[in-house]
Amino acid sequence: DAGVIQSPRHEVTEMGQEVTLRCKPISGHNSLFWYRQTMMRGLELLIYFNNNVPIDDSGMPEDRFSAKMPNASFSTLKIQPSEPRDSAVYFCAIRGPAGGPGTGELFFGEGSRLTVL
Amino acid sequence: ILNVEQSPQSLHVQEGDSTNFTCSFPSSNFYALHWYRWETAKSPEALFVMTLNGDEKKKGRISATLNTKEGYSYLYIKGSQPEDSATYLCAFTNTGNQFYFGTGTSLTVIP
Repeated sequence: DAGVIQSPRHEVTEMGQEVTLRCKPISGHNSLFWYRQTMMRGLELLIYFNNNVPIDDSGMPEDRFSAKMPNASFSTLKIQPSEPRDSAVYFCAIRGPAGGPGTGELFFGEGSRLTVL
Repeated sequence: ILNVEQSPQSLHVQEGDSTNFTCSFPSSNFYALHWYRWETAKSPEALFVMTLNGDEKKKGRISATLNTKEGYSYLYIKGSQPEDSATYLCAFTNTGNQFYFGTGTSLTVIP
């Protein structure tokens, strides 16, 4: 059973501070996605990795956002410096194995709720 | 960014009523269409993955159909129950790697 653990679950920080969100996929996968959920836009794709390599980061809002995946079991999303408009829920998801790309369903973590004051 | 639209945005139905909602997506370069169920304070969970035009999938009282030529999918819930209350998301992919989500249909089933 694929699982995704995200931390922290909640973070409140002040504008200008650095924020690091973490994602630990439990079981095997080859694609990892970072999404941001806001009331206005719903789920937006920020970046995704295939085999630990960033493939498309066109959804990353600004240079203040960066993401890494040093190995298959860990990824980080960093915001530096953070701003109030970054307040959102950030989800990490992995694509499960299936008949092929696109058919594997996404397994989401429980999200990290970020509030920037 | 590809446009995936869901309608209605929100829906209130009485327990026992059947209901349906729509997901519209680009009809060119279709790869797969996913439906997810998202309960408050939880993470989205996959309901269906659909790949072929004319596909129909069913899970209990919930079913979905797919028309890739005209770019839409319907999700049906028969005999709605309060536990069906959730946001239902569809996601379209044309490459197999990027998933474009709609903003969801929020369903509330009134006991």
